[in-house]
Amino acid sequence: DSGVTQTPKHLITATGQRVTLRCSPRSGDLSVYWYQQSLDQGLQFLIQYYNGEERAKGNILERFSAQQFPDLHSELNLSSLELGDSALYFCASSVEGQGAEKLFFGSGTQLSVL
Amino acid sequence: GESVGLHLPTLSVQEGDNSIINCAYSNSASDYFIWYKQESGKGPQFIIDIRSNMDKRQGQRVTVLLNKTVKHLSLQIAATQPGDSAVYFCAENYGGSQGNLIFGKGTKLSVKP
Repeated sequence: DSGVTQTPKHLITATGQRVTLRCSPRSGDLSVYWYQQSLDQGLQFLIQYYNGEERAKGNILERFSAQQFPDLHSELNLSSLELGDSALYFCASSVEGQGAEKLFFGSGTQLSVL
Repeated sequence: GESVGLHLPTLSVQEGDNSIINCAYSNSASDYFIWYKQESGKGPQFIIDIRSNMDKRQGQRVTVLLNKTVKHLSLQIAATQPGDSAVYFCAENYGGSQGNLIFGKGTKLSVKP
């Protein structure tokens, strides 16, 4: 168990809908990362937060947004969902969010857009 | 993940043999490398990491080798066990303190009993 908690484990929704994925980092970790994993693209970095502030952005679509709350949990919001958004979404956390440090991953949320 | 790639998408080994998983990276400025193991239905699990000022690091049954001259990273697993069957990802960080891990596409390791 990595100590990173993600909910829900599975999510099935329809095109055009909006969903929220939730992540609680390991105790003591200040930085949260979101990754998308699909069969053809591997693990793609979406966005990073550190202590409530956005620190880095990757290949995140404008339809997607995230935030990190004062208690350090994070939410990833996906809107106007398309079939191609079906993927595994992972949250990871680290102590300092300084780039050259290990990340601890949650078990992921499997999103299916029908 | 285009800057980090893997030579072999699948690797099949006999139980008890040693496994070597290879990874090529393209950015000579990368300063940190890491290997993850992902079992079916689970998130990536940290195995071992190495910084660019080292060329070898050992863990329990695993060794990571870094060759900066040819920009190559490898993961060696000694006495491979059925529980080692998984997809292995290498990742690099080339943004320093402002960087983020960029992952390769992964190698699937299958261990035959």
